[in-house]
Amino acid sequence: SQQGEEDPQALSIQEGENATMNCSYKTSINNLQWYRQNSGRGLVHLILIRSNEREKHSGRLRVTLDTSKKSSSLLITASRAADTASYFCATDRDDMRFGAGTRLTVKP
Amino acid sequence: GAVVSQHPSWVICKSGTSVKIECRSLDFQATTMFWYRQFPKQSLMLMATSNEGSKATYEQGVEKDKFLINHASLTLSTLTVTSAHPEDSSFYICSARDQMGTSGSYNEQFFGPGTRLTVL
Repeated sequence: SQQGEEDPQALSIQEGENATMNCSYKTSINNLQWYRQNSGRGLVHLILIRSNEREKHSGRLRVTLDTSKKSSSLLITASRAADTASYFCATDRDDMRFGAGTRLTVKP
Repeated sequence: GAVVSQHPSWVICKSGTSVKIECRSLDFQATTMFWYRQFPKQSLMLMATSNEGSKATYEQGVEKDKFLINHASLTLSTLTVTSAHPEDSSFYICSARDQMGTSGSYNEQFFGPGTRLTVL
């Protein structure tokens, strides 16, 4: 079964805008990770945030984690057409379970 | 960084045949590996947890007699789809957890590139 939900399910923005995706989960976690997947391809690991961390940055990515609300968000700033992909959160405890994903389309 | 490989990367087979997919951790040892399945436009769903030297643990709704898992060494797990049917066509992804820290990333999970199975 999946761990939780992501919203929105789909997001369409213009190049240069920011994109925010949210993830909620149900159980306690060791860490939460965000992945990117282009259509028909494998997963690309973006960022890992541990349960005792609240915010993490990597380039144009910013991830927050609120364990009291069991939620996380991924912010992509200054989006590019090449950012078009599906984005998944995954919670890691004994095993790793994925959210439903957000399909991001960045229009040039 | 830690690398997980899968073989084959894609396979096409006839209905009723069996297909074996290999998952290898190339630069670390993994007592635990995981198998996921992803249908088009959907997320990854955990199928089973593969434990080295013992039986796999299957998620609810996954037929253990249809999806045979063998984890005979610390670097190799195999998934065999027996008597495959068109509805088994999917993207199968494995991952391996570095519980010994041999990759330098203790207890992190690393994913293979996936195997696309098409059953005609």
